[in-house]
Amino acid sequence: TQLLEQSPQFLSIQEGENLTVYCNSSSVFSSLQWYRQEPGEGPVLLVTVVTGGEVKKLKRLTFQFGDARKDSSLHITAAQPGDTGLYLCAGPFYNQGGKLIFGQGTELSVKP
Amino acid sequence: NAGVTQTPKFRILKIGQSMTLQCTQDMNHNYMYWYRQDPGMGLKLIYYSVGAGITDKGEVPNGYNVSRSTTEDFPLRLELAAPSQTSVYFCASSYESFTIYFGEGSWLTVV
Repeated sequence: TQLLEQSPQFLSIQEGENLTVYCNSSSVFSSLQWYRQEPGEGPVLLVTVVTGGEVKKLKRLTFQFGDARKDSSLHITAAQPGDTGLYLCAGPFYNQGGKLIFGQGTELSVKP
Repeated sequence: NAGVTQTPKFRILKIGQSMTLQCTQDMNHNYMYWYRQDPGMGLKLIYYSVGAGITDKGEVPNGYNVSRSTTEDFPLRLELAAPSQTSVYFCASSYESFTIYFGEGSWLTVV
């Protein structure tokens, strides 16, 4: 059972298209993080969202934290081949920290 | 900038063999973690530590052991390797529970 469910698990699109990746839970999280992982490397943090309803932008990437702090989304505008990778959402299982759990990831492939 | 360093990068083990994955960080982080990553399963937490001398089980601790004698080091021990332990292992560290920094991964195959 995944505490954090990501969808879709796989996404293959053409360069220039827009896409949205979702991260959902039945539990409330104090914060959620998004990571990007390239083949052969460890995940790298993209953003942390903390406040319900918060929206953060990182160039063509827009991250949103749900009002109830149970879900988050990542929207990419005009995707480029360089966006290809595994996108992971993560959240602290306990508010006191110590256990960061991850969703199963979304494998994104952007074709030129 | 060393960050989180884990060794070895690649290892092939025979069933029943033992080995230790080494992990060290130079950022003076109090939290350290071991995750395993299998295709389509994301990252599963094996063990974590919130400081020297303190360790706790994560989601999938069976078949593994850890120790945290210093702030810098957090080795992961596999006592009796099984094919189910074939995976990519990531060590990570953080200050408190935010902004986790990962090592480059260790690819382990048990045959």
